Amino acid sequence: KNQVEQSPQSLIILEGKNCTLQCNYTVSPFSNLRWYKQDTGRGPVSLTIMTFSENTKSNGRYTATLDADTKQSSLHITASQLSDSASYICVVRGSNYQLIWGAGTKLIIKP
Amino acid sequence: DGGITQSPKYLFRKEGQNVTLSCEQNLNHDAMYWYRQDPGQGLRLIYYSQIVNDFQKGDIAEGYSVSREKKESFPLTVTSAQKNPTAFYLCASSWTGGDTEAFFGQGTRLTVV
Repeated sequence: KNQVEQSPQSLIILEGKNCTLQCNYTVSPFSNLRWYKQDTGRGPVSLTIMTFSENTKSNGRYTATLDADTKQSSLHITASQLSDSASYICVVRGSNYQLIWGAGTKLIIKP
Repeated sequence: DGGITQSPKYLFRKEGQNVTLSCEQNLNHDAMYWYRQDPGQGLRLIYYSQIVNDFQKGDIAEGYSVSREKKESFPLTVTSAQKNPTAFYLCASSWTGGDTEAFFGQGTRLTVV
């Protein structure tokens, strides 16, 4: 069964600290993996996309990694800011229009 | 100002009523989608459309209906047949193709009273 599992379910860290969010998937065939940021009560916004051949990609303070062999991805946030408080969702695209969404990690940054 | 607009932001429905959620985009995207989001769960696809006058059922289409009469518009009707309609509904649009990003509206929170 195609699944995307994210961990931890929620995370609280102090402002300025780093954190890493995990995404494991069993989607096959694999096309690409995206990380989205969703502020409370808003629609998700794409942070980065990872294709099969990419291992690491950065977008400012966000760095995503992909290990296609172990079917794992991570999103590392450096020097967290209060505005990073949000849910981070991993979504894997399989064949055609099939998108498998993870449940998300709720990140809370405390001052 | 390009984007995708959902309305209303909040909607209350009495049991047994049908309600329609609006979704409009001016991004000239061919594909549009409706998702439902419940606490602690991933987004679940209700319906999607790749072209005007054509749409396909997603994973949880029962109790919902859509139309795609114009490229810009993809309204979702939540019918009385949907037994548990209270949720956050998200509309998205994208270019067709494998690696395209989905752009989301701000969402509509539907509550049954």
